[in-house]
This record gives sequence, C-alpha cells and structure tokens, in this order.
Amino acid sequence: DAGVIQSPRHEVTEMGQEVTLRCKPISGHNSLFWYRQTMMRGLELLIYFNNNVPIDDSGMPEDRFSAKMPNASFSTLKIQPSEPRDSAVYFCAARGVRELFFGEGSRLTVL
Amino acid sequence: AQSVTQLGSHVSVSEGALVLLRCNYSSSVPPYLFWYVQYPNQGLQLLLKYTTGATLVKGINGFEAEFKKSETSFHLTKPSAHMSDAAEYFCAVSDAGNTPLVFGKGTRLSVIA
Repeated sequence: DAGVIQSPRHEVTEMGQEVTLRCKPISGHNSLFWYRQTMMRGLELLIYFNNNVPIDDSGMPEDRFSAKMPNASFSTLKIQPSEPRDSAVYFCAARGVRELFFGEGSRLTVL
Repeated sequence: AQSVTQLGSHVSVSEGALVLLRCNYSSSVPPYLFWYVQYPNQGLQLLLKYTTGATLVKGINGFEAEFKKSETSFHLTKPSAHMSDAAEYFCAVSDAGNTPLVFGKGTRLSVIA
C-alpha cells in the first residue's frame, strides 16, 4: 500500500498563475479530504468528498479555489489565479475506519 | 460544533523526562479522539485513537492517552522523552458519523539533551 500520494511536493509560482495540486488516495478508501496548513491558521479543512461526490466545500476560501474528484483514484485542487496569501502546505487525506491517512503535502509558494 | 483546544503551543522537556501534551475537546455527541504527529516537511502520522471501549489508549513510539469524559480531556503522555520525539503534535476530534476531523492548533515538542 503506497499511501496517499501528492504532487508536486513543492511549487513556486508567480501571482496570477494557475496552480494545480494532485492527489492519489488509498485504494478502497471512499472519503477524501483537502486541508491547508499555515502558521497563522493551523490546519483548515477546505473540502471533502465521499464516493467522489463533494460533500462540504464551505472551507474553500474563495471562488479562485476549486476541487474535483473525477474518479476514486484521483483528485485535484486548483487555484486560479493564485495570490501570495495562498502560500501554504496543502494536504490530501484519505479516511480509514475512522482516522485519516495524510499525504506528504504540497508546499506552495506564490511570489 | 466540535472543537479542540491544545494548551501550550510549545512544550520543552529534557531527554528522559515525562512528556505531557494537553488536549481538551468540545463535542455534543460521544467523540472519537485522535493524536497525530508531524515531523518537519512531512505529513501527519496517526499516533493513536480512541473510538470506544478502554479509555487508556496505547499508540506507537511509547505514547499513550487517556479519554476522560468528565474532564473532556484526551491528554497525551510518554514516560521518557527521546530526542526523536521532537515534532509537532495535533489532537483531533470527530463524531461517529462520516464527518471530518477537527484539529487543534498543535503543540510543538522540543526535547533537550
């Protein structure tokens, strides 16, 4: 079991550019979560899916953020256009029985 | 709504000393409780969890936590700190449904030689 796989691990981009973060969840785990981690705000839930369906996206900060899960093995988080305040580590997590299994995260820096 | 409060954003202990990281939760339903550890530049790794049954839960790396309903607490302990325990620790709560985990702000543990 390879665990949750995220890419890219690091992304540096300029303000206004589109950013796409990718997640491959654990096979058979039907719920997927996107979190954002910053020093100021800690871990924030952005959106989560059950069986590929978005359940709650109230944590998505603005319309610039969007997330999709076209199938059980892939999800994307897109920011368009990106802004410096979007700089953070973005985590994808898959739910086990009760706990979450996290990926290594994607560190985004927007200049 | 559920919430978690971790007392102390930074705890420093000497190597070999007791580790105690505090977590209090708020939940209107019986909670499921978790402790995660995060090493630099890594994701969160599950240390232990309480769902039902025995209130004293043992986890990896010698850590344990006790669920105390009367105190709404789930403090994390380890009898003897090791240098490798230096990391960020997060307490989290959820309910019995399929709802997301709610995380505390985290506590950074430093271990002094």
